[in-house]
Amino acid sequence: AQTIHQWPVAEIKAVGSPLSLGCTIKGKSSPNLYWYWQATGGTLQQLFYSITVGQVESVVQLNLSASRPKDDQFILSTEKLLLSHSGFYLCAWRGQGWAETLYFGSGTRLTVL
Amino acid sequence: GEQVEQLPSILRVQEGSSASINCSYEDSASNYFPWYKQEPGENPKLIIDIRSNMERKQIQELIVLLDKKAKRFSLHITDTQPGDSAMYFCAASASRRNYNQGKLIFGQGTKLSIKP
Repeated sequence: AQTIHQWPVAEIKAVGSPLSLGCTIKGKSSPNLYWYWQATGGTLQQLFYSITVGQVESVVQLNLSASRPKDDQFILSTEKLLLSHSGFYLCAWRGQGWAETLYFGSGTRLTVL
Repeated sequence: GEQVEQLPSILRVQEGSSASINCSYEDSASNYFPWYKQEPGENPKLIIDIRSNMERKQIQELIVLLDKKAKRFSLHITDTQPGDSAMYFCAASASRRNYNQGKLIFGQGTKLSIKP
């Protein structure tokens, strides 16, 4: 069975400080990986996706960047946080075949002060 | 377009009664429609989905209906319980996106509260 682990669980950071969030998936080789962002009470917005190591595509420009250093690892980062970066960050992977089911990690709650 | 409209945004129902959430989509080529339940502080979890070759699907108290002509689909929760209180998101596949990008477009969500 596939497991997806996100870290940290929560972060409180100052405006202008750097950020790094991580995601690891086990039990699935060469997964498609995704970063989603959710404002409090809001919907799910796709930020980045990656189909293979070293390859990341940006979907929305939010002064964030993503990298995939290993097949099972996806990193979200920025050098300077904005207040608008606060929210819930979810890593996800997609199932095989015709179904487009997304499976989400447990998420990271980010508060920027 | 790729929008998915979800209504209502807030829904309060009495315990034991039914709750219905409605979604509409724009892309006539959409062929996959999942529903996610998200409890406070938790990640969204898939609860039921339906593909375009079906009009109705039921898993226990969850019923999903799909009307392709009207480009609408809906979730019905029968005999609601306090544990059904949560945010619910519908989604539709978007044919114009590339396969690797993943094709789900999410609705705005419905906050369902079950009154005891």
